[in-house]
Amino acid sequence: AQSVTQLGSHVSVSEGALVLLRCNYSSSVPPYLFWYVQYPNQGLQLLLKYTSAATLVKGINGFEAEFKKSETSFHLTKPSAHMSDAAEYFCAVSEDNAGNMLTFGGGTRLMVKP
Amino acid sequence: NAGVTQTPKFQVLKTGQSMTLQCAQDMNHEYMSWYRQDPGMGLRLIHYSVGAGITDQGEVPNGYNVSRSTTEDFPLRLLSAAPSQTSVYFCASRVQGATYNSPLHFGNGTRLTVT
Repeated sequence: AQSVTQLGSHVSVSEGALVLLRCNYSSSVPPYLFWYVQYPNQGLQLLLKYTSAATLVKGINGFEAEFKKSETSFHLTKPSAHMSDAAEYFCAVSEDNAGNMLTFGGGTRLMVKP
Repeated sequence: NAGVTQTPKFQVLKTGQSMTLQCAQDMNHEYMSWYRQDPGMGLRLIHYSVGAGITDQGEVPNGYNVSRSTTEDFPLRLLSAAPSQTSVYFCASRVQGATYNSPLHFGNGTRLTVT
């Protein structure tokens, strides 16, 4: 069975500071990994996805994530936070090739201080 | 483009009442799914469908029914609502088949309160 753990339900950074959102997964097979973002009163949008082509994955809005198999991690980073990055971020994992059953982490709410 | 449309946006039910949450997509996506979102628990898969006439259970299917008579629509039915079903419900769709890692497209959610 697969699971996803996001360390820190709330993260606060200053505008311009580094953003680091942590995601660890457990999976019995090489997983497919995703980061989604949710803005207030909206559904989720895909930020980026890992599908084994490259361990460093670049996404939209300047975000990137690195797959580290030895650490079973897929942390999300952005060098410089912007006020518009304030949102809730979800890490998700899928074990099956078809991707029919995604397992989501509990989410991390990012707050950006001016 | 409309994308994934969910109705209603808000709903209040009394315990024991029934209702249907509607979901429609206009992207000709084969795969559709329902998730519920609860604080600190992320999103949990209720049911999903890989095409018309085909449905399957997710992680938390109890208390919910689905059907898929057309590609466009995937309604979620609560036959006898319980307070534990108070949640925000999201419908999501994506292309099925070879593009197995294609992203999910989410609706804006239905906020359901059961009293």
